[in-house]
Amino acid sequence: QKEVEQNSGPLSVPEGAIASLNCTYSDRGSQSFFWYRQYSGKSPELIMSIYSNGDKEDGRFTAQLNKASQYVSLLIRDSQPSDSATYLCAVIYYNFNKFYFGSGTKLNVKP
Amino acid sequence: DTGVSQDPRHKITKRGQNVTFRCDPISEHNRLYWYRQTLGQGPEFLTYFQNEAQLEKSRLLSDRFSAERPKGSFSTLEIQRTEQGDSAMYLCASSALGGREAAYEQYFGPGTRLTVT
Repeated sequence: QKEVEQNSGPLSVPEGAIASLNCTYSDRGSQSFFWYRQYSGKSPELIMSIYSNGDKEDGRFTAQLNKASQYVSLLIRDSQPSDSATYLCAVIYYNFNKFYFGSGTKLNVKP
Repeated sequence: DTGVSQDPRHKITKRGQNVTFRCDPISEHNRLYWYRQTLGQGPEFLTYFQNEAQLEKSRLLSDRFSAERPKGSFSTLEIQRTEQGDSAMYLCASSALGGREAAYEQYFGPGTRLTVT
């Protein structure tokens, strides 16, 4: 079993809709969670971090963490064609110095 | 504030040759990470430095891989006797020393694409 699991997609949503991206992880104690966006041929770009249960909002992005169910999600409101990219979930077990990325979910936002 | 830089951006080498990549982190960042990424996969952790100390190294890394960060600033990643399976994007990231959470917000460089023929 992989440490971080993501649906590879592609996830297709119409422009203006809400895109919902999910990630599950193995529980090994103290963790931090991050969402990265990666355009084709480019390096990952940090878009959100979340450390505590609940929701964290930043502009059109909302990260949600549920430690009891071991999942973290990213909501993108008012999706734009420029949001079309692969979204990577990362889990950092900082007490073990372990760093894991999921394989990413490809998002297509159709005009 | 300049971002993470990597050099070279592209490297083509023949199987069996040695290659070395360089990473310059964001200037105030003391943590530095190396990852490898192949098509359709997420970044795979290779190694991690805090200042000049190498604190973690993936067990996936064979003895052909070595990394250094001699003065706690830039880092080099060397691959000896390259194999075709080493073809990948090699990514460097850095993060700042700080509170527990923000300390691991990693910022990536543009990567070095290695092709082994």
